[in-house]
Amino acid sequence: DTGVSQDPRHKITKRGQNVTFRCDPISEHNRLYWYRQTLGQGPEFLTYFQNEAQLEKSRLLSDRFSAERPKGSFSTLEIQRTEQGDSAMYLCASSFSFQETQYFGPGTRLLVL
Amino acid sequence: AQSVTQLGSHVSVSEGALVLLRCNYSSSVPPYLFWYVQYPNQGLQLLLKYTSAATLVKGINGFEAEFKKSETSFHLTKPSAHMSDAAEYFCAGNFGNEKLTFGTGTRLTIIP
Repeated sequence: DTGVSQDPRHKITKRGQNVTFRCDPISEHNRLYWYRQTLGQGPEFLTYFQNEAQLEKSRLLSDRFSAERPKGSFSTLEIQRTEQGDSAMYLCASSFSFQETQYFGPGTRLLVL
Repeated sequence: AQSVTQLGSHVSVSEGALVLLRCNYSSSVPPYLFWYVQYPNQGLQLLLKYTSAATLVKGINGFEAEFKKSETSFHLTKPSAHMSDAAEYFCAGNFGNEKLTFGTGTRLTIIP
């Protein structure tokens, strides 16, 4: 068990560019979550998957955001036409079952210039 | 609506002193409650969790928390602070759905 991994750890991009982040959950976990954390705040829920199905999306997830988990294993989060307000830490977590502990990855820190 | 409130965005204690970080919740359903710690530029690490069993929960690194329904609280304590405890601490709740709702965090500073 190597824990949740995320790639890249840091991303700097110019406004208007597209970015994609990857999350690899703990292998036996069927639930995968994405959160966003801005400076000085706690993480905020964005979306979650049960296996390959995306079952809930927050209102924070605008049309520019899309997430996938094609085979129920790793997940990608894409942001199109990035804005400066998208600058944040994007955290991925996974869990074994409903209301079980969510284990977090190291996060991807995005800076939009 | 369910929520988690952490009182005190910054707490400073002397090395060896008691650590007390406060967390209150609001929920119409029995909550599951968690404390996570975050070191700079890292993800969140679970310290402990309450899942409706024992109200006094022991976690890693000498931390513990007590669930008090009458006070809607889940405060985190450690009898003796260590320099390595300096970090940001987040209280979070699961209120009968899939997501965690986090407080705004408390930055703990340890004074040598």
